[in-house]
Amino acid sequence: SQTIHQWPATLVQPVGSPLSLECTVEGTSNPNLYWYRQAAGRGLQLLFYSVGIGQISSEVPQNLSASRPQDRQFILSSKKLLLSDSGFYLCAWSGAALNTEAFFGQGTRLTVV
Amino acid sequence: AQSVTQLDSQVPVFEEAPVELRCNYSSSVSVYLFWYVQYPNQGLQLLLKYLSGSTLVKGINGFEAEFNKSQTSFHLRKPSVHISDTAEYFCAPHPRGGGSYIPTFGRGTSLIVHP
Repeated sequence: SQTIHQWPATLVQPVGSPLSLECTVEGTSNPNLYWYRQAAGRGLQLLFYSVGIGQISSEVPQNLSASRPQDRQFILSSKKLLLSDSGFYLCAWSGAALNTEAFFGQGTRLTVV
Repeated sequence: AQSVTQLDSQVPVFEEAPVELRCNYSSSVSVYLFWYVQYPNQGLQLLLKYLSGSTLVKGINGFEAEFNKSQTSFHLRKPSVHISDTAEYFCAPHPRGGGSYIPTFGRGTSLIVHP
């Protein structure tokens, strides 16, 4: 069966520090991968998605970046965090078929102080 | 392109009462329809989905939803809620065609079950 791992679960970082959140998927190949951010009391904002190794599409301009160095690995990064980067970050994957659901990691609660 | 509207941002109910969470969508093509649930500090998980066939779909934890094509709605219902149903609920339409698709979600409805 497929599983998705996302870590760390919580993170407190000072303003201006770097960020690296990692997500890996097991049990499937060539998944579509996604990073979402969820602000308190709000919906999911798509940040990045990837349909293959090295292929990254950005949905929202910000100081974040994403990379997909391996088929089932998706990394969210920042060189210098801002206070506004605080939030709940979710990694997800889906298959190519349109009638299948997305599968989510447990999320990372990032607090920038 | 499609869009989704979850009409209620918050729905407070008492335990054992029935509940309905509303979802309306618009799309230029036919859609598959999904409901997800998010418990506090967790990721989303699938609650139920409508692909084809019977318009009444049953999901986990006693939830069900009915697809209404004429009203472009996919409301989620449960006849008797439990405290443990307190969570955020997201409606998500997927197009049935048009190539690749990026999962997008409504703004969510926060279900708050009071004892």
